[in-house]
Amino acid sequence: DGGITQSPKYLFRKEGQNVTLSCEQNLNHDAMYWYRQDPGQGLRLIYYSQIVNDFQKGDIAEGYSVSREKKESFPLTVTSAQKNPTAFYLCASRIQENEKLFFGSGTQLSVL
Amino acid sequence: QKEVEQNSGPLSVPEGAIASLNCTYSDRGSQSFFWYRQYSGKSPELIMFIYSNGDKEDGRFTAQLNKASQYVSLLIRDSQPSDSATYLCAVTSGSARQLTFGSGTQLTVLP
Repeated sequence: DGGITQSPKYLFRKEGQNVTLSCEQNLNHDAMYWYRQDPGQGLRLIYYSQIVNDFQKGDIAEGYSVSREKKESFPLTVTSAQKNPTAFYLCASRIQENEKLFFGSGTQLSVL
Repeated sequence: QKEVEQNSGPLSVPEGAIASLNCTYSDRGSQSFFWYRQYSGKSPELIMFIYSNGDKEDGRFTAQLNKASQYVSLLIRDSQPSDSATYLCAVTSGSARQLTFGSGTQLTVLP
């Protein structure tokens, strides 16, 4: 089945630790996105990539980093510089010329 | 700063009634408009999209767009308890057609 796979479903970070959230898609979509959602809030864009080996900052990129070495994969690293990382993280993708966005199942990140 | 505004609710309607969800946006150049449904703890699911002024119907859902008023709405007819969720309005704009999301409206359909 085609889709977007995020892992892990739940992740706990210790203070000062970097953690990486995985996102893989087999939809052959060009563009991939990372959003952050806080309770009762909408989605805020962290980073996006429209093509392999290229990515751009979104509205809240500070404390995060990404890579896009393969079309299928767009991992997000939450660094120790992100002081308030507890949130629901959503990965999404779309065909470049089609604006409909499809989401993975999300990763809930919490701080120990 | 492009903004998308929604009433946070909660909005409660009885089963079988029409639920009306509203959204306004600030960027007059916005091109495409989407409604996503999100159940608690789950990811958003696309339920409607509209590009042109007027109404678009799909089953029990109708999206309405008025670009002059910068207003988009979602009507849910014959509301069911399974429609209870948060509904997110999203708007694309700019050359990169990035999506900006509203904060969502929580809908509860009472049996």
